[in-house]
Amino acid sequence: KNQVEQSPQSLIILEGKNCTLQCNYTVSPFSNLRWYKQDTGRGPVSLTIMTFSENTKSNGRYTATLDADTKQSSLHITASQLSDSASYICVVSAYNDMRFGAGTRLTVKP
Amino acid sequence: NAGVTQTPKFQVLKTGQSMTLQCAQDMNHNSMYWYRQDPGMGLRLIYYSASEGTTDKGEVPNGYNVSRLNKREFSLRLESAAPSQTSVYFCASSDHDAGSYNEQFFGPGTRLTVL
Repeated sequence: KNQVEQSPQSLIILEGKNCTLQCNYTVSPFSNLRWYKQDTGRGPVSLTIMTFSENTKSNGRYTATLDADTKQSSLHITASQLSDSASYICVVSAYNDMRFGAGTRLTVKP
Repeated sequence: NAGVTQTPKFQVLKTGQSMTLQCAQDMNHNSMYWYRQDPGMGLRLIYYSASEGTTDKGEVPNGYNVSRLNKREFSLRLESAAPSQTSVYFCASSDHDAGSYNEQFFGPGTRLTVL
């Protein structure tokens, strides 16, 4: 069964610190993997997309990695800011199917 | 451009009542989607429309109906609401189907409570 598991469920860090969020998936055949950011009370917004051949993709302070062999991805946030407080959702696509992880709730404290 | 808009933002229903959630996009996208988001779970696809005039069931279609009114608008109807349908509902649109590289753009959501 196609599934996406994210860890941790929630995370609290201090402003300025780095953190890494994890995503493991069983979706097959793999097409692409996206990380979305969802602010409270809003819809998700795409941060990065990675295809099979890509193993790193950056978007400002966000860096996503992908290991298609082990079916794992991570999202690394550098020098966190208060505005990074949000849920981060991993979405894995197969042909004509898209599976969402439950998300990691990140809280950045001053 | 407004992107994807949804109405209403909040709604409270009694069990058995009906209602329609409205969604519109101004990006000229072919595909539109309805999801529900429940605590501790990923977004789950209710219905989608790959193009104007077509609709297909997603992972959790029971208790819902949809209408792709035109290329811009995609509505979700609850004929007889049940407490299990208490959720946050998101509409999304993209250029092509899920599985493609095209990003899905999401609306702000409708928070529905069924008493």
